[in-house]
Amino acid sequence: AQTVTQSQPEMSVQEAETVTLSCTYDTSESDYYLFWYKQPPSRQMILVIRQEAYKQQNATENRFSVNFQKAAKSFSLKISDSQLGDAAMYFCAYYDKVIFGPGTSLSVIP
Amino acid sequence: DTGVSQDPRHKITKRGQNVTFRCDPISEHNRLYWYRQTLGQGPEFLTYFQNEAQLEKSRLLSDRFSAERPKGSFSTLEIQRTEQGDSAMYLCASSLAAGPNSGNTIYFGEGSWLTVV
Repeated sequence: AQTVTQSQPEMSVQEAETVTLSCTYDTSESDYYLFWYKQPPSRQMILVIRQEAYKQQNATENRFSVNFQKAAKSFSLKISDSQLGDAAMYFCAYYDKVIFGPGTSLSVIP
Repeated sequence: DTGVSQDPRHKITKRGQNVTFRCDPISEHNRLYWYRQTLGQGPEFLTYFQNEAQLEKSRLLSDRFSAERPKGSFSTLEIQRTEQGDSAMYLCASSLAAGPNSGNTIYFGEGSWLTVV
């Protein structure tokens, strides 16, 4: 069975600085998708970024980028130039039926 | 398109009562997922459908839980004989999946909060 692990329950970052959130997963599949989702307090879950496992190039979306290491089964999220609006729970997720990690609560310090 | 909608958004029920939640996915989406989320935790997978077929059901889902998607459009999640441990947010999501590994983006509804007293 697939599993997703996020080893950092809480993280904090100074506004305008960079922070990296960690995620590891376990699967026997060779072709799959990985996602980072953001869930602000009492708000809807929204997609931050996605990565196809067959692509070697790391995905990038504006200030968000990933470091995908397929052999190590690692999928970290880097947030550059952190903004107050980035404060939220961040969940790493594995597709097919979408298995979520336990989440990392990110605080942004003004 | 209005996105994934869930109803009701909040439900308070007495222990032992039955509750039903409805989810309307994005209209062209063929996949529909149900998750349960408690405060401070990640969403736990419950079940998912491709069109009207229920492809997988989590072992977390006891016999008191049942989900349907009769015409491949909206879905219902029913909880019978509710217990206090059922108190959680029930999330619905949908996607357009061309195959098992198509990995298209999953869109979430705002969730249905259940409180069992």
